Amino acid sequence: GAVVSQHPSWVICKSGTSVKIECRSLDFQATTMFWYRQFPKQSLMLMATSNEGSKATYEQGVEKDKFLINHASLTLSTLTVTSAHPEDSSFYICSAPGTGMVGNQPQHFGDGTRLSIL
Amino acid sequence: QKEVEQDPGPLSVPEGAIVSLNCTYSNSAFQYFMWYRQYSRKGPELLMYTYSSGNKEDGRFTAQVDKSSKYISLFIRDSQPSDSATYLCAMSAGGNNRLAFGKGNQVVVIP
Repeated sequence: GAVVSQHPSWVICKSGTSVKIECRSLDFQATTMFWYRQFPKQSLMLMATSNEGSKATYEQGVEKDKFLINHASLTLSTLTVTSAHPEDSSFYICSAPGTGMVGNQPQHFGDGTRLSIL
Repeated sequence: QKEVEQDPGPLSVPEGAIVSLNCTYSNSAFQYFMWYRQYSRKGPELLMYTYSSGNKEDGRFTAQVDKSSKYISLFIRDSQPSDSATYLCAMSAGGNNRLAFGKGNQVVVIP
């Protein structure tokens, strides 16, 4: 089945550092990918829709200058958390619809990146 | 009213019992319905996918969708300790429309 790979799985860094998270669709192309944030014991919150070859679409309340998204190819989207602070610590997850899926569903998720800012 | 309602209360069952989970929704445009299983510190894993109304069975798992009642269910038969996880319902109207998630149910299967 469709596989989405996310890297790194865990990052610990100092406040003020910028952190890049990669999301790759393995053996299929994804013109659209989605980035989510999840707090402990809560559901996923959509942050933005990543579009290959064009600007990402951000959800209301998500700072686009804080969370930079680049979808440079049909198999790779990156999320960069710029000048990260402790409040940015969270679990970040990407997803992509597999090939041949009607209506962009269902989506397949990466294994997530745990970001801890000290 | 939230788009998707899922009672997040933890659920503990003995091994071998049937687990019953459900979600209700308010958006009549939803036509794609999914159940995901999420283990701690992992991304959601697709369990069941249903388009429009009807039932779908896959091994020990059965998903039901009743669009007239805006109600979806997931049943797990012969539950195993390895089924202990959080189960998220998700749905979409399709296209590039986003997924709407329930809050998730934490299920614990006791050996």
